[in-house]
Amino acid sequence: KQEVTQIPAALSVPEGENLVLNCSFTDSAIYNLQWFRQDPGKGLTSLLLIQSSQREQTSGRLNASLDKSSGRSTLYIAASQPGDSATYLCAVRLSTDSWGKLQFGAGTQVVVTP
Amino acid sequence: DAGVIQSPRHEVTEMGQEVTLRCKPISGHNSLFWYRQTMMRGLELLIYFNNNVPIDDSGMPEDRFSAKMPNASFSTLKIQPSEPRDSAVYFCASSPAGDPYEQYFGPGTRLTVT
Repeated sequence: KQEVTQIPAALSVPEGENLVLNCSFTDSAIYNLQWFRQDPGKGLTSLLLIQSSQREQTSGRLNASLDKSSGRSTLYIAASQPGDSATYLCAVRLSTDSWGKLQFGAGTQVVVTP
Repeated sequence: DAGVIQSPRHEVTEMGQEVTLRCKPISGHNSLFWYRQTMMRGLELLIYFNNNVPIDDSGMPEDRFSAKMPNASFSTLKIQPSEPRDSAVYFCASSPAGDPYEQYFGPGTRLTVT
């Protein structure tokens, strides 16, 4: 059974520092991996999607890498801002569930202090 | 577009009562997902509909839970009878036919069963 783990569970950094969030998964046969952001009391917003054949994806200050063979993905957020405070979740799609079923990690709660 | 709409936003009920959660997906989307989020188990997929047909309900915890999608613009998740362990935030998400990997989440319904 696929298990998705996110470390650390919580992270607090001063504004301007770079954020590094880790995600690991036990079954390397994934279709793709997605990073989401969740603000308190709200639903999830998709940030980046990496196909299994890709090594990284970038969007503005966000960069996500994928090492499928080792079962790891890392989300980098450059020059963090207080507005980046949220919970970040990674989720994987198994190759056998191409219709879109996601297996989520528990998330990393991020606080960026001014 | 108004996004995915869920109602009610908060629901407090007593054990044994019937609870009905409602979701209106984004117009034109043909896939709909119901998720449950708890501190203990994180975010779990309950059921997935495609073109109003349930495709995967393996995440539905037990017979007390049922979901329907009578048309493309409305879905319900019903719990009867409710139990305290059903307390969670329930999310509905939808995705378009052309991009099944882009799930748009609603704001969620916070359910408390006393």
